[in-house]
Amino acid sequence: GDSVTQMEGPVTLSEEAFLTINCTYTATGYPSLFWYVQYPGEGLQLLLKATKADDKGSNKGFEATYRKETTSFHLEKGSVQVSDSAVYFCALSGATNKLIFGTGTLLAVQP
Amino acid sequence: ETGVTQTPRHLVMGMTNKKSLKCEQHLGHNAMYWYKQSAKKPLELMFVYSLEERVENNSVPSRFSPECPNSSHLFLHLHTLQPEDSALYLCASSQEPGDRADTQYFGPGTRLTVL
Repeated sequence: GDSVTQMEGPVTLSEEAFLTINCTYTATGYPSLFWYVQYPGEGLQLLLKATKADDKGSNKGFEATYRKETTSFHLEKGSVQVSDSAVYFCALSGATNKLIFGTGTLLAVQP
Repeated sequence: ETGVTQTPRHLVMGMTNKKSLKCEQHLGHNAMYWYKQSAKKPLELMFVYSLEERVENNSVPSRFSPECPNSSHLFLHLHTLQPEDSALYLCASSQEPGDRADTQYFGPGTRLTVL
């Protein structure tokens, strides 16, 4: 069945460092791909999404490119801030139209 | 109120209690969802309602009973729960559940502790 694998955390960075959180997926057909973020004490919020190969999703300085050849959707940000500290979830929606989530990656940014 | 709201935010209950979780969406969406979030596990989809009709029930134990009286409200009725049911329960809504590009909007969750 469809699945998402993302790097285990926690990821600890200093402010202004470059961020990469890896995400790979397994799916039949052409899924849509998502990154959701969960700040402490809150629910999940959509961060960005891409619906077809080579699409780049971007929001709040975060980017991810839908790479079909490597079945990846890695999340990147050029300069992280303390306020980016959260749990990041990669997810896909495929043939079943259900969201399949990864286990989440905790990001901690230190001043 | 905007977005998706959930009440209560925190709930502690004994194994013999009966309680209900409430979710309300103010987005005019057609579908609503219950998820269970446990530590170090992916989010688990429990129930899906589309236009007030249940379309998904992922082998959830009968001690969890959903109710969707209209497109804006969703309840999860709980009875005789087990300690392993302690988790964060998230509600979500979306506009086009049959579209794989559809975005789900989540509430803040109810943190449930079963003693």
